[in-house]
Amino acid sequence: GAGVSQSPSNKVTEKGKDVELRCDPISGHTALYWYRQRLGQGLEFLIYFQGNSAPDKSGLPSDRFSAERTGESVSTLTIQRTQQEDSAVYLCASSLVQGQGWQPQHFGDGTRLSIL
Amino acid sequence: AQTVTQSQPEMSVQEAETVTLSCTYDTSESNYYLFWYKQPPSRQMILVIRQEAYKQQNATENRFSVNFQKAAKSFSLKISDSQLGDTAMYFCAFSRAGGYQKVTFGTGTKLQVIP
Repeated sequence: GAGVSQSPSNKVTEKGKDVELRCDPISGHTALYWYRQRLGQGLEFLIYFQGNSAPDKSGLPSDRFSAERTGESVSTLTIQRTQQEDSAVYLCASSLVQGQGWQPQHFGDGTRLSIL
Repeated sequence: AQTVTQSQPEMSVQEAETVTLSCTYDTSESNYYLFWYKQPPSRQMILVIRQEAYKQQNATENRFSVNFQKAAKSFSLKISDSQLGDTAMYFCAFSRAGGYQKVTFGTGTKLQVIP
């Protein structure tokens, strides 16, 4: 089957605009993660979904960032009033439920967000 | 909180030679996982190898092996018989065992394999 799909692949927008980033996880994967990767840096955890609920939102940098997931499938990460420091690659990963032993995270190719 | 440190921003190796990438970490957890991920220019993160902290035996995956020193909190990656396709960013990473995987990543080492 298909892997994790993210869209758009690249997004350029003006400072102050809102953006929505989409993640389609692997079918049947109930766990979904969002990460941010700034230029030359490692990945930073943003949020974790189990099903449609988000028990860990501790990595969201500010209240301009929000995420939702519907139907235990697609997730969207929304950034409101974008700032230049939001420029980064946003990566999504999904996995089977962790409670049945370790499960690998499968990553998408990310969305490169550039704020002008 | 966990931290992962990679002190080698860039490394290079001749094709067919062996190279070792270094990583140290800090945690108060007693059981956890350590990983090495590869990120080629395509941006997709690819899991190279995983080590479970309670296992003393070092993990190996074909040409990739680790040297896990739990007391020293050190976790290095050895790549043998380096190939041009190994050129990529390599990230050392940590997650606690049990529950969901909130992975903490290092800042990465850019590896260049020279023909």
